Amino acid sequence: DAGITQSPRHKVTETGTPVTLRCHQTENHRYMYWYRQDPGHGLRLIHYSYGVKDTDKGEVSDGYSVSRSKTEDFLLTLESATSSQTSVYFCAIRGTSGGHSTDTQYFGPGTRLTVL
Amino acid sequence: QKEVEQDPGPLSVPEGAIVSLNCTYSNSAFQYFMWYRQYSRKGPELLMYTYSSGNKEDGRFTAQVDKSSKYISLFIRDSQPSDSATYLCAMSAPQGTYNLFFGTGTRLTVIP
Repeated sequence: DAGITQSPRHKVTETGTPVTLRCHQTENHRYMYWYRQDPGHGLRLIHYSYGVKDTDKGEVSDGYSVSRSKTEDFLLTLESATSSQTSVYFCAIRGTSGGHSTDTQYFGPGTRLTVL
Repeated sequence: QKEVEQDPGPLSVPEGAIVSLNCTYSNSAFQYFMWYRQYSRKGPELLMYTYSSGNKEDGRFTAQVDKSSKYISLFIRDSQPSDSATYLCAMSAPQGTYNLFFGTGTRLTVIP
């Protein structure tokens, strides 16, 4: 396992409420990613981070914000959840081999979010 | 047009069959190619990783890249029921953000 945990693993919330998902890694890697996975769309990048306080937008960033105040934690916030944000959310870190970064990514177990 | 196209299946084969999974892509800058396996309600796990063109073999799995045709394949020999999962291809370019571009995944069922 790549040492990635996500919390919570399941969440049901109501439209309009704020939601924060947490990703925690023990690999001390600079690069971290948030994806959502939906049927017919595969994995789509929401935001990514290349260091503490360094983040950038991905393909589907509207309605989401992120923060990274420590290397090990990457938070994804839905400021005002909508039903279209019902999805499975995965966190990932960039892979390493022999101490060097590779172009692979390793994924966490996912958070299943339902917005009613 | 999506940058990475993958037949979603589903694909159903008998145990012991050879399985061929494929992706096509449009961006000629892609140099790194990956296959991920995802079991139901789990995160994707890296299965194979190749750079540029050619073949790579790991046990029953062979990854093949044909950059001239912008086509990658994953072959599974002697398929087992435990291979039943969704297989995702992914690729990236060597410069820039190191972000991955994923196919939508092919769902495979191996019938005992």
